[in-house]
Amino acid sequence: EAGVTQFPSHSVIEKGQTVTLRCDPISGHDNLYWYRRVMGKEIKFLLHFVKESKQDESGMPNNRFLAERTGGTYSTLKVQPAELEDSGVYFCASSQDWQVTGELFFGEGSRLTVL
Amino acid sequence: AQSVAQPEDQVNVAEGNPLTVKCTYSVSGNPYLFWYVQYPNRGLQFLLKYITGDNLVKGSYGFEAEFNKSQTSFHLKKPSALVSDSALYFCAVRDNRAAGNKLTFGGGTRVLVKP
Repeated sequence: EAGVTQFPSHSVIEKGQTVTLRCDPISGHDNLYWYRRVMGKEIKFLLHFVKESKQDESGMPNNRFLAERTGGTYSTLKVQPAELEDSGVYFCASSQDWQVTGELFFGEGSRLTVL
Repeated sequence: AQSVAQPEDQVNVAEGNPLTVKCTYSVSGNPYLFWYVQYPNRGLQFLLKYITGDNLVKGSYGFEAEFNKSQTSFHLKKPSALVSDSALYFCAVRDNRAAGNKLTFGGGTRVLVKP
């Protein structure tokens, strides 16, 4: 069974440019999450989809970030325009359990470098 | 609000010696506690979890963790460390009163096991 896949693995862009990160969850997992780790600090929650609906987007830092999950399959996270402080590793995770007593399955992350 | 603290940025241990990675948490309700590991150039991998029941939880790769409610701790342990255990370890918590599956992570502890 394929795990959570993320693309690209690394993206280097200049301040002001746009980047779109993609996440393909494990097949059949309705729950999809975005997290990020900035500057080697703690991993922080960004948002949670249940199928195509945003269940919780309380962690989204500002309106430069837009997440979508059309059709309830893969998800994209767009940063526009990117700022220096957006540099970090963006993790996607999926799970089957709504009540989350099970674990999250994480992808390898997309490293974003904003110059 | 929920929070996690991992007081050590790095833990160094000789191969064959016991390994302990510390974690303390704060939640309003009862905690769901998790340990994840990140090997170089890999995504986060689930190690173990505490939801309820026995305070001593056994997980993957010979790791275990002990839930201590009075000390609000969930330290990760391995009786005999291997060089291959060198990685970044994250403790995470979810408040069982919180809706959804929002995990709060600690800052991570880098473990270096020397031959």
